[in-house]
Amino acid sequence: SQTIHQWPATLVQPVGSPLSLECTVEGTSNPNLYWYRQAAGRGLQLLFYSVGIGQISSEVPQNLSASRPQDRQFILSSKKLLLSDSGFYLCAWSPWDRGHTEAFFGQGTRLTVV
Amino acid sequence: AQTVTQSQPEMSVQEAETVTLSCTYDTSESDYYLFWYKQPPSRQMILVIRQEAYKQQNATENRFSVNFQKAAKSFSLKISDSQLGDAAMYFCAYRRFDRGSTLGRLYFGRGTQLTVWP
Repeated sequence: SQTIHQWPATLVQPVGSPLSLECTVEGTSNPNLYWYRQAAGRGLQLLFYSVGIGQISSEVPQNLSASRPQDRQFILSSKKLLLSDSGFYLCAWSPWDRGHTEAFFGQGTRLTVV
Repeated sequence: AQTVTQSQPEMSVQEAETVTLSCTYDTSESDYYLFWYKQPPSRQMILVIRQEAYKQQNATENRFSVNFQKAAKSFSLKISDSQLGDAAMYFCAYRRFDRGSTLGRLYFGRGTQLTVWP
């Protein structure tokens, strides 16, 4: 069966510090991968998505970047965090074929920038 | 652009009663999918139900059913025989597939917080 791992679960970082959140998927190949941010009262905002290694698309311009160094690894990064980067970050994956349409989510990372 | 609107920030229901959560969406596509996700206090996103736009029949999963009105771009969730464990944030989501691609970007509404009273 497929599983998705996301870490860390909680992170407190000072303004101006770097960020690296990691997500890995097991039990499948060539998944579509997504990063979402959930801010209070704003639902889930799609940040980045990827269809393959090195292929990253950004949905919203921001202080963050994403990378996919391996087929089942997706990393969310920032060189210098802003207070506005605080939020709950969710990684998700969906199968590459259209036979399955839903996305599956990790446990999330609560990021607080102080 | 695709947008998903949930006009009810909060809803409440008595245990064993029925509640309906509303969702509307905006799209110019004819091929898409709609979902309801549940997010309990653990914040784990759990799929509740899905609907393919090309299917006229409303999806049903046990106590959960949808009322899909394609022309009106409406997708409401009905929870029957509500249970305490149904208390959660519910998100309506829309997914389209890029032409010639298997990538389907998933867009969410702002959510409806459901409280279930004993």
